[in-house]
Amino acid sequence: EAGVTQFPSHSVIEKGQTVTLRCDPISGHDNLYWYRRVMGKEIKFLLHFVKESKQDESGMPNNRFLAERTGGTYSTLKVQPAELEDSGVYFCASSPRGSPNTGELFFGEGSRLTVL
Amino acid sequence: GEDVEQSLFLSVREGDSSVINCTYTDSSSTYLYWYKQEPGAGLQLLTYIFSNMDMKQDQRLTVLLNKKDKHLSLRIADTQTGDSAIYFCAESIGAGSYQLTFGKGTKLSVIP
Repeated sequence: EAGVTQFPSHSVIEKGQTVTLRCDPISGHDNLYWYRRVMGKEIKFLLHFVKESKQDESGMPNNRFLAERTGGTYSTLKVQPAELEDSGVYFCASSPRGSPNTGELFFGEGSRLTVL
Repeated sequence: GEDVEQSLFLSVREGDSSVINCTYTDSSSTYLYWYKQEPGAGLQLLTYIFSNMDMKQDQRLTVLLNKKDKHLSLRIADTQTGDSAIYFCAESIGAGSYQLTFGKGTKLSVIP
């Protein structure tokens, strides 16, 4: 069974440009999450989808970030326009419906974003 | 202050035991977790403990929870070079909570 996959693995862009990160969750997982780790900081929650609906987006830093999950399958996270402080690793995770009772999220390898 | 704190680095010799410590601030934490991130890979759940437990053992891994002191530790017995990774402590609040609060991670280096 394929795990959570993320694309691209690394993106280097200039300040002011736009970047779109993609996440393919484990097939059948209704829950999809985005987290990010800014350099030297903790991994922070961004938002949570249940199928195509945003369940909680309280962690989104500002309106330059837009997450979508059309059709309840893969998700995209767009940063427009990117700023220097957006540099970091963006993790996507998924979990089955009704979970996580024990908090097990299945994480992807992350997309590293570098804003110059 | 940070919600979850852990030391950033730990170095041990192969065959020794490793102990990674973590402190958290939220007394209403329901579950506490240890995630492992190997180089070039995503985070993988290593083990977890429910807040009403003091200890959990799983093969070479022992998790100790001191709820009074809000202290969590992960002990790896007979540490191997394959255990070299970053270990993240995390907490969630409330049953079924998906919002995990992570520490910065402890990088474990195992010396052959």
